[in-house]
Amino acid sequence: EVQLVESGGGLVQPGGSLRLSCAASGFTFNTYWMSWVRQAPGKGLEWVASIKQDGSEKYYVDSVKGRFTISRDNAKNSLYLQMNSLRVEDTAVYYCARDRVGAAQGVVYYYYMDVWGKGTTVTVSS
Amino acid sequence: QSVLTQPPSASGTPGQRVTISCSGSSSNIGSNYVYWYQQLPGTAPKLLIYSNNQRPSGVPDRFSGSKSGTSASLAINGLQSEDEADYYCAAWDDSLNGRYVFGTGTKVTVL
Repeated sequence: EVQLVESGGGLVQPGGSLRLSCAASGFTFNTYWMSWVRQAPGKGLEWVASIKQDGSEKYYVDSVKGRFTISRDNAKNSLYLQMNSLRVEDTAVYYCARDRVGAAQGVVYYYYMDVWGKGTTVTVSS
Repeated sequence: QSVLTQPPSASGTPGQRVTISCSGSSSNIGSNYVYWYQQLPGTAPKLLIYSNNQRPSGVPDRFSGSKSGTSASLAINGLQSEDEADYYCAAWDDSLNGRYVFGTGTKVTVL
C-alpha cells in the first residue's frame, strides 16, 4: 500500500524552529518528486515546497524562502522540512505529497500531487 | 493569496448536477493542465481530476472536468451525500520562476 506518514509537528514560539518528517512506503521513493503543502486553520491549500528525485532542484513559495528548507534521504525513504524563524502565520496542517511531474528543459508539462499523507499540525504561538 | 478564483460555496439536492468554476490567467490555466482535489471533512486532500479531464482509478464517473481558455470547471452529476466536501482546483503557474497554485476552494453542500 502506498503511504505517506508525517511527523514532527507541535507547538513552537514565534522565531523558533521545527523539523517535519515524512516517511514513505509502498512505492519507489527515489523516482518521484515530493512536496509539502499546508493548510491554515479554516483556510485553503497552499503549496510550500517541492524537491526533485535526487534533491538537485528545490522550489519554494515566496513566503517561506530563506526560512524553510526541503530535503530528502532516499536511503531512508524520507522527506523533511526544516522550518526556521517561524511566524504565527505559519500555523497550519502540513501535508506531505507525492508529485507526478512531466518536465523537460525547464518547461513543466504537467504537475500534480497524487498521494497525500494525513498531515501534521504546526502551531506557532507565544 | 490564491491566483485561482472559485466560488466559496455550491449546493444541490441528491441527484442534481452541480458545477464549480475556477478562473485563472494565461500563466496558469491558460497554458497548463488543471487539476481538482476533493477534501472530505477532517481528512487530507485527494486527487479527483488530473490533466483537465482525467479521472484516477477509483474516482466515480459522475465527476468530470473541463477547461476553456483561462477557466475550468468541475461537474458533479447525480450528486450524492458523500460528495459533501471542499473542492480545490490547481495548476502550475509559469510566472515567478514557476510555482504550483491552488484555487480558493469551494464548499459543496448536499441539501
